Amino acid sequence: DAKTTQPNSMESNEEEPVHLPCNHSTISGTDYIHWYRQLPSQGPEYVIHGLTSNVNNRMASLAIAEDRKSSTLILHRATLRDAAVYYCILRDGLRAGGFKTIFGAGTRLFVKA
Amino acid sequence: DGGITQSPKYLFRKEGQNVTLSCEQNLNHDAMYWYRQDPGQGLRLIYYSQIVNDFQKGDIAEGYSVSREKKESFPLTVTSAQKNPTAFYLCASGLRSTGELFFGEGSRLTVL
Repeated sequence: DAKTTQPNSMESNEEEPVHLPCNHSTISGTDYIHWYRQLPSQGPEYVIHGLTSNVNNRMASLAIAEDRKSSTLILHRATLRDAAVYYCILRDGLRAGGFKTIFGAGTRLFVKA
Repeated sequence: DGGITQSPKYLFRKEGQNVTLSCEQNLNHDAMYWYRQDPGQGLRLIYYSQIVNDFQKGDIAEGYSVSREKKESFPLTVTSAQKNPTAFYLCASGLRSTGELFFGEGSRLTVL
């Protein structure tokens, strides 16, 4: 299973941009990169996903390296409500067992007022 | 409203008892998942199912069992064989593609 590596924690100031990195050096050509975030005592919620091109939505932007071995989740203006654990995972629906969908430990983001 | 529902939200059980956690979705998703989360840790995959009447073990399946008799339902039984069952259990569903996963609110199981 393709794995991802993220820093354990990061800190940001409120209203500043945050760049959360993720390494996935063993990514396959059909793996999509997904990001989820989890608030305390809640289930994770979807943030964004992409394959090769950078993606934007109302919550965040996803920048994917040209070789696809790393990606960065960008929160343009951090708020206190963005303090959460952020998970970067890979999903591939084409390979056998591709639905296995493994989560790592994620990055805990602290936002200072 | 469409979504994924887990019940109960909190559950207490005595050692040696089996307990079943419910997970129901009305999103017409083929794939469903069960994860376990311990305090301060990430999610670990217990079981997953890609289609009705089929399921596969995840990384920590020992002491757990599941069934997938209906597309909408994927119950998880925590058996007495599970040595450390106290945890937060999360159910998720997704399309048979690379789209997003939807999670339930979780069930917190405490063994007394």
